[in-house]
Amino acid sequence: DGGITQSPKYLFRKEGQNVTLSCEQNLNHDAMYWYRQDPGQGLRLIYYSQIVNDFQKGDIAEGYSVSREKKESFPLTVTSAQKNPTAFYLCASSNGGGGYNEQFFGPGTRLTVL
Amino acid sequence: RKEVEQDPGPFNVPEGATVAFNCTYSNSASQSFFWYRQDCRKEPKLLMSVYSSGNEDGRFTAQLNRASQYISLLIRDSKLSDSATYLCVVNIHEGYSTLTFGKGTMLLVSP
Repeated sequence: DGGITQSPKYLFRKEGQNVTLSCEQNLNHDAMYWYRQDPGQGLRLIYYSQIVNDFQKGDIAEGYSVSREKKESFPLTVTSAQKNPTAFYLCASSNGGGGYNEQFFGPGTRLTVL
Repeated sequence: RKEVEQDPGPFNVPEGATVAFNCTYSNSASQSFFWYRQDCRKEPKLLMSVYSSGNEDGRFTAQLNRASQYISLLIRDSKLSDSATYLCVVNIHEGYSTLTFGKGTMLLVSP
């Protein structure tokens, strides 16, 4: 079955700790994206990557870092510099590197920082 | 004008009703338009793309008005299972390498 997987589904961390969220896709998509969603809010773009070994900041990149060493993987690290990390994190991918194609989403990771 | 703006709702309708959602977008040069559906505490899923000529998929009809920069979604004969948040999505930013999501309109269909 082709799709996007994110793990873990729920994650709890203490304040001040870095945490890495996993995102893997087997759709052979070039582009991958990370979004954050807060209650009652829309999706906000954190980082995106249109090709392996390249990525760009989105609207709210401060306090986050990413890597794209493999086409199928795009992990997101939430660092201690992120002021309000508790949120629902969604990873997506699309065929082609532009904003012309639909994006497919993983099931998300709910991060709670205590 | 906000980049992608939607009425937050909620829209409360009885089963069988027809309901319409509107969405406005800020960039007149945008070229890609989508409606996504998001169930509570789940990921968004594509409902339909929106084409210039308008398009229909069963009970769902999407329209694009480029002159006024708005997109609409019409749902006919609402079902209980249509209860969800509907997200309007547009490629707004110059370079068109990303999509911008509206905050969504919540629909609640009651028996």
